[in-house]
Amino acid sequence: NAGVTQTPKFRILKIGQSMTLQCTQDMNHNYMYWYRQDPGMGLKLIYYSVGAGITDKGEVPNGYNVSRSTTEDFPLRLELAAPSQTSVYFCASSLNTEAFFGQGTRLTVV
Amino acid sequence: AQTVTQSQPEMSVQEAETVTLSCTYDTSESDYYLFWYKQPPSRQMILVIRQEAYKQQNATENRFSVNFQKAAKSFSLKISDSQLGDAAMYFCAYLTGANNLFFGTGTRLTVIP
Repeated sequence: NAGVTQTPKFRILKIGQSMTLQCTQDMNHNYMYWYRQDPGMGLKLIYYSVGAGITDKGEVPNGYNVSRSTTEDFPLRLELAAPSQTSVYFCASSLNTEAFFGQGTRLTVV
Repeated sequence: AQTVTQSQPEMSVQEAETVTLSCTYDTSESDYYLFWYKQPPSRQMILVIRQEAYKQQNATENRFSVNFQKAAKSFSLKISDSQLGDAAMYFCAYLTGANNLFFGTGTRLTVIP
């Protein structure tokens, strides 16, 4: 049982580059989320999805885009990477109330 | 908007002793869920305990218990018989009726042998 899988685990980007953080879950959960965690801080909600084809902005959506074409996958896209996007990114999914988290992706923008 | 406040950036406790971590939140909803998550150095987010707002009884999970004061919008975590493995960041979190999960800024717990 894989749960929530995020790839890659680490990435270094140059300013202005783009990339996609992948997230997939095998629990058939409707809800999926993307968070960022800055050093010493809590998790901030970037985007969320309540089901395939439906996405919505969270607290800090600027600079990011998402899509949800299937129940399993919820990729997060950074179009023009900026140093302010250096953070650890977590994907999570839930069916009712308990959220299951991936291992996180540490992204550094230089 | 919901906010979750953890006013203790760091706490420490002697092994085998008891420690309480504080959390307050702000909401206009009447039905919601509250959680405590543990984040060890591995970065993995681990659910410690959950409380439904409509339940007056405080949740307990082995050595972990909460003091839920709905009127005061307070949700503290008590760890009894602290163990070295309890050392981690602890996050209080609030689940809205729309299933959005909001986190506090965390409390770093150190367990002293």
